[in-house]
Amino acid sequence: TQLLEQSPQFLSIQEGENLTVYCNSSSVFSSLQWYRQEPGEGPVLLVTVVTGGEVKKLKRLTFQFGDARKDSSLHITAAQPGDTGLYLCAENSGGSNYKLTFGKGTLLTVNP
Amino acid sequence: NAGVMQNPRHLVRRRGQEARLRCSPMKGHSHVYWYRQLPEEGLKFMVYLQKENIIDESGMPKERFSAEFPKEGPSILRIQQVVRGDSAAYFCASSPPGQGGYGYTFGSGTRLTVV
Repeated sequence: TQLLEQSPQFLSIQEGENLTVYCNSSSVFSSLQWYRQEPGEGPVLLVTVVTGGEVKKLKRLTFQFGDARKDSSLHITAAQPGDTGLYLCAENSGGSNYKLTFGKGTLLTVNP
Repeated sequence: NAGVMQNPRHLVRRRGQEARLRCSPMKGHSHVYWYRQLPEEGLKFMVYLQKENIIDESGMPKERFSAEFPKEGPSILRIQQVVRGDSAAYFCASSPPGQGGYGYTFGSGTRLTVV
């Protein structure tokens, strides 16, 4: 089973700052998904990246998939308190088309 | 269009009792997945079901845990004779056929506390 390493584990910043969180693996991802989970709720899918080098934007969020498909990053511009949550990356376990392996996440707190 | 519905949101059981967790997938989704989230371990796959079929239960503990998705009604995750170590958040997700690998829609989860 592929292990996903997410960093940093915790991040506390002020409103308006920029930040980047990372998801890395020693193996190649077939595809990668990013989720955000708010306290007491289930994860919500933000994006799926499939192609090496792919960049996707979702308002103030920019997702990048490494050229070698072994790493991914999520950059948030001008963070807002509503961005607070646990950011999880997930990949298809062993190339499965249904089973996901999740990283342990980055817990982001944006202070007003 | 309602999302994935899970109930109850919170469930407290004494050691040795049974816990039944329910999940209704999104309309049009026929595939259901159950995951467990423990504080220090993250989300772990438990089981994948289609209507009346268990496709992959490789993440389910061998004893006390079972899952079903009947032709009519919600999917049920059943835990018999609960122990304190079963305390966790249990999430159900659904997807259209063949789309699970591109992202799930999760429910809000059931938080099980065993006392």
